[in-house]
Amino acid sequence: GENVEQHPSTLSVQEGDSAVIKCTYSDSASNYFPWYKQELGKGPQLIIDIRSNVGEKKDQRIAVTLNKTAKHFSLHITETQPEDSAVYFCAASPGGFKTIFGAGTRLFVKA
Amino acid sequence: DGGITQSPKYLFRKEGQNVTLSCEQNLNHDAMYWYRQDPGQGLRLIYYSQIVNDFQKGDIAEGYSVSREKKESFPLTVTSAQKNPTAFYLCASSIRRENTEAFFGQGTRLTVV
Repeated sequence: GENVEQHPSTLSVQEGDSAVIKCTYSDSASNYFPWYKQELGKGPQLIIDIRSNVGEKKDQRIAVTLNKTAKHFSLHITETQPEDSAVYFCAASPGGFKTIFGAGTRLFVKA
Repeated sequence: DGGITQSPKYLFRKEGQNVTLSCEQNLNHDAMYWYRQDPGQGLRLIYYSQIVNDFQKGDIAEGYSVSREKKESFPLTVTSAQKNPTAFYLCASSIRRENTEAFFGQGTRLTVV
């Protein structure tokens, strides 16, 4: 069935370093790939998204890359700060109102 | 401020009882969703609604029911038929278009005691 695999499940980095989270999706019809950040006790919030007609998108310290051939997409956070500590979810949408979420990555940024 | 509000934040239920989780939005969104979140797992879709008086089952609808009588409101009832109801429940909304951002509420943590 449709699924999205996300790695790693936990990531610990030093403040100022970069963090990379990788996802793989199975449904080749997927054409929308959002990334959500969830802070403790709160609902997820969109931080960046990319559509299948684009290979890369950047927003300040956050970038997402998409390889449709390999069905991979990744989140890159540069110059990490303690406030980046949270759980990050990737997702893939094959159309309709269906969105498949990855299991999440818990990011710790050590000051 | 526009947003999506879930209540209560914490809910305790005795085994065998039905309980209803509230979700209200003032974003004028047509589409609303209910997700369940368990530790170490992604969000799983329970039900969604694209428009008032219409809703569709998601991947894990068994033991749950919803209604959509008003555009702003999409309550979720966790029935006694749900075998493992303890979880974090998230409500979301979006404009009525495919492949668009979902706005989430703060969630309700349901514990069965």
